[in-house]
Amino acid sequence: GDSVTQMEGPVTLSEEAFLTINCTYTATGYPSLFWYVQYPGEGLQLLLKATKADDKGSNKGFEATYRKETTSFHLEKGSVQVSDSAVYFCALIRWSDGQNFVFGPGTRLSVLP
Amino acid sequence: KAGVTQTPRYLIKTRGQQVTLSCSPISGHRSVSWYQQTPGQGLQFLFEYFSETQRNKGNFPGRFSGRQFSNSRSEMNVSTLELGDSALYLCASSRQTGGRDNEQFFGPGTRLTVL
Repeated sequence: GDSVTQMEGPVTLSEEAFLTINCTYTATGYPSLFWYVQYPGEGLQLLLKATKADDKGSNKGFEATYRKETTSFHLEKGSVQVSDSAVYFCALIRWSDGQNFVFGPGTRLSVLP
Repeated sequence: KAGVTQTPRYLIKTRGQQVTLSCSPISGHRSVSWYQQTPGQGLQFLFEYFSETQRNKGNFPGRFSGRQFSNSRSEMNVSTLELGDSALYLCASSRQTGGRDNEQFFGPGTRLTVL
């Protein structure tokens, strides 16, 4: 079945460090890919998305490129801030007579001042 | 525009009881999906409703059920609660079902604790 794999966390970085969170997927067909972020005590917020190969999603300094050849969608940010501390979920959406997301396990990021 | 709202935000029940959670989607959204989030299993898809019809269902026992009303509001019900049902239950709404560009918007969740 479809699945999403993310790098294990937690990831701890100093402010202004470079961030990469790896995400790879297995899917039948051609899914759309998403990154969601969850701040403490809150639901998930869409961070960025890409719907076709080589698309680059970007938002708030975060970027991810849909790489069909390597089935990857790695999240990057050039300079993290303390306010970026959260859990990040990579996800794909699939349709089988309806729709549902398949989420990765999440990667907890802590940014220290 | 109001976001997705879920009630109640916190709930404590005992084993064997049943519980009903409510979700109000963003105005104009007709699809509502439910997810269970636990530390051990992560985020798992429960079911999706669109125009009052269940369109898709995850791999959960029949104790988990849901419905959607004509105004797109949705409820999910868990009967005969077990300790393992303790989780954050998230609701997400989207304008339609399917579609490569169809975004889901999540509510804050209902934290269910089963004692």
